Amino acid sequence: GAVVSQHPSRVICKSGTSVKIECRSLDFQATTMFWYRQFPKQSLMLMATSNEGSKATYEQGVEKDKFLINHASLTLSTLTVTSAHPEDSSFYICSVPRQGATDTQYFGPGTRLTVL
Amino acid sequence: DAKTTQPNSMESNEEEPVHLPCNHSTISGTDYIHWYRQLPSQGPEYVIHGLTSNVNNRMASLAIAEDRKSSTLILHRATLRDAAVYYCILRDRNNAGNMLTFGGGTRLMVKP
Repeated sequence: GAVVSQHPSRVICKSGTSVKIECRSLDFQATTMFWYRQFPKQSLMLMATSNEGSKATYEQGVEKDKFLINHASLTLSTLTVTSAHPEDSSFYICSVPRQGATDTQYFGPGTRLTVL
Repeated sequence: DAKTTQPNSMESNEEEPVHLPCNHSTISGTDYIHWYRQLPSQGPEYVIHGLTSNVNNRMASLAIAEDRKSSTLILHRATLRDAAVYYCILRDRNNAGNMLTFGGGTRLMVKP
């Protein structure tokens, strides 16, 4: 079964509105979660690292005031796209690292955001 | 994490084996070789990983060159459901738990 869930799976919004995307770790606690963005026909690009109990760490070029991240608990991180514009339309994917011998990462199913 | 090079795309026939190559000439001694795949409109999923020895699991096999500068992901019998983008990623074991850096990957097309 799924280890990481995302909600919603799809969202269409008008330009200027804000959209919240949830990422939940279903099987284990996660002090860290990662948010990626993927444009059509391109690879995944890391946006930010979500840290439980502290501020998120953003990659260069990602506006922290536009992409608000809240790691509310050990199983939930939210990404809010504020004042969304058509160029923010993308596939947003979160991941949860599983430390240990495998160093595996579990990815959510993704959220398709379309801004009209 | 060190860089990898993969072909942009490959084609395979259904029920035949597929060998997906990956070059990583700058690999360091502490880098694990990980493979993930991304099915259309889904998040990536873990496939397999290894350090030096060849590895097998229910999804695939990983063959690692003796000098570790290249590796090959082997799907023994491709199915239509294996059509995906396959990413070869190096992970420094000292950076366990950190984010993954994705390259372009190889888009595998499977013909019936």
